Amino acid sequence: QSALTQPRSVSGSPGQSVTISCTGTSSDVGGYNYVSWYQYHPGKAPKLIIYDVTKRPSGVPDRFSGSKSGNTASLTISGLQAEDEADYYCCSYTGSYTDWAFGGGTKLTVL
Amino acid sequence: EVELVESGGGLVQPGGSLRLSCAASGFTFSNFAMRWVRQAPGKGFEWVSSISSSGGSKYYADSVKGHFTISRDNSKNRLYLQMDSLRADDTAVYYCAKGVDYHFDYWGQGTLVTVSS
Repeated sequence: QSALTQPRSVSGSPGQSVTISCTGTSSDVGGYNYVSWYQYHPGKAPKLIIYDVTKRPSGVPDRFSGSKSGNTASLTISGLQAEDEADYYCCSYTGSYTDWAFGGGTKLTVL
Repeated sequence: EVELVESGGGLVQPGGSLRLSCAASGFTFSNFAMRWVRQAPGKGFEWVSSISSSGGSKYYADSVKGHFTISRDNSKNRLYLQMDSLRADDTAVYYCAKGVDYHFDYWGQGTLVTVSS
């Protein structure tokens, strides 16, 4: 069982918005502003799309945004495109430099 | 362009050993911490181990402490994971990742380790 809880799947039509939640505890998501999100196409390298809750690496479209409220972080993808269909994983620092907690992953289907 | 390429995975019997390697390019390897993350079949990612830029500090998940050893060779731009006393629950795709602050900014494509008799 993963440390952080994500929905197994979400779906949306092209052009719509979807939000993926990531629920932890006050010891991880709620305790630090160090939540990151990764896009994963099976067989490829995972890609960082959000870090420090809200920041986007250069090259990541502004359709991807992150937020946090209490012990739950969220990834919102607006203006869905076919290439957004992938697995998405959240990750949170847990307060010691010896551990990160990951979510179980959410499969996004673009209808 | 940052590139991380893992190698060394394969099929190994329970109790056996494997040494994974990660070849890094496109950045100054010696300036960055490096990490291993794994993904068991049908499961999410699990952080396995981290090593500081100099190699002087090493950290392990409780699940691998005592039977995995992380190391690096900054002269060769290589990261390693020595895996001993392998168990069935170590079966996973193993990824190396470049560490920046509190996230993983680049990942490799992974190498599959299967522990089975």
